Amino acid sequence: AQKVTQAQTEISVVEKEDVTLDCVYETRDTTYYLFWYKQPPSGELVFLIRRNSFDEQNEISGRYSWNFQKSTSSFNFTITASQVVDSAVYFCALSEGGPGAGGTSYGKLTFGQGTILTVHP
Amino acid sequence: ETGVTQSPTHLIKTRGQQVTLRCSSQSGHNTVSWYQQALGQGPQFIFQYYREEENGRGNFPPRFSGLQFPNYSSELNVNALELDDSALYLCASSLQGGRYEQYFGPGTRLTVT
Repeated sequence: AQKVTQAQTEISVVEKEDVTLDCVYETRDTTYYLFWYKQPPSGELVFLIRRNSFDEQNEISGRYSWNFQKSTSSFNFTITASQVVDSAVYFCALSEGGPGAGGTSYGKLTFGQGTILTVHP
Repeated sequence: ETGVTQSPTHLIKTRGQQVTLRCSSQSGHNTVSWYQQALGQGPQFIFQYYREEENGRGNFPPRFSGLQFPNYSSELNVNALELDDSALYLCASSLQGGRYEQYFGPGTRLTVT
């Protein structure tokens, strides 16, 4: 069974600090996809990034960066120079596929428990 | 481009009743997935619909059922409501089932008393 673990339940930082959110996953699939989503207080999950299992290149998008390491089954997320607007719950997720209707595969997302990030001014 | 919309925003029901939640997918998306998110937890996959057929199901009892319409909008129906069904229900749309990114709506907060 697939599993995603976010060991950090809550993180509190002061604005402009860098912060890293950890994500460890388990899967038997050789092909899989990893995601990060942000959930602000409004409740809507906001897509941040998708990474497939064959692409271990780190990615940077503005103040956000992601470090994918298959050897340790980790997909960590770093926010540089955090801002108050970054305060939210962050979820790491793993895509699980299987045979679906009409020969397609379906993408069930398995989420971690989430990390509550609070950035203080 | 219109995003994913859900209705209603909030709903209060009594144990044993039935409820229908609605979702309109993002323009161009033909796949809709439903998730249940209990307070303080990550979302749990209920099922996915692709081209009007159920395309995968999570570990939820048969009293959770759904539909997808020709315009790719979707409904989630829950019969015989239980107190534990109280949660945020999230709908997500994506392309072609599979492993593409899923875009979520704002959710429906269901409270069962």
